Amino acid sequence: NAGVTQTPKFQVLKTGQSMTLQCAQDMNHEYMSWYRQDPGMGLRLIHYSVGAGITDQGEVPNGYNVSRSTTEDFPLRLLSAAPSQTSVYFCASRRAGGRIGELFFGEGSRLTVL
Amino acid sequence: AQSVTQPDIHITVSEGASLELRCNYSYGATPYLFWYVQSPGQGLQLLLKYFSGDTLVQGIKGFEAEFKRSQSSFNLRKPSVHWSDAAEYFCAVGGSNYQLIWGAGTKLIIKP
Repeated sequence: NAGVTQTPKFQVLKTGQSMTLQCAQDMNHEYMSWYRQDPGMGLRLIHYSVGAGITDQGEVPNGYNVSRSTTEDFPLRLLSAAPSQTSVYFCASRRAGGRIGELFFGEGSRLTVL
Repeated sequence: AQSVTQPDIHITVSEGASLELRCNYSYGATPYLFWYVQSPGQGLQLLLKYFSGDTLVQGIKGFEAEFKRSQSSFNLRKPSVHWSDAAEYFCAVGGSNYQLIWGAGTKLIIKP
């Protein structure tokens, strides 16, 4: 059982470049989310989705886009990368009916923007 | 304002010694409380959770936590740590919406 899979694990971008972080889960979870983790700041929610076709903003959505065309996939797009987006990104999911906080995390994607 | 405070950035404990990691929160409603663990280079894993009922909750890997409403705390404990417990630990609080509020984390270092 793969759980939550994130790709790539590492990425270096130049300022202004665009890229997509991929997230896929095979647990048929309705809820999916993206967090960024920065030293000394814990996790901050970027965007989340409660099902296919439904997305909403979290705490720090600026500079990021998401879409949810299938239950399994929830990609995160950086349209024009900035050094402030250097971070470790985590995708997390939760089953339908699962309570807030009962999250399953991917292993993370470390992004460096030069 | 809603917040979670983990006062200790780092804690060093000898292998076999007991452990307590502190978590204090500020939340306007009845909180749901969580502890997660992040091993180096890995994602986060749920250790334990509190929703209601017994204020002492048991989790995986021999961890437990106690909810003290009067102190707005949810401290994580383990009677005897193992070298494999070296990791970063995160406390989080949430309510009826979809968003969790996370602490900044405490890095646990185990001395042999």
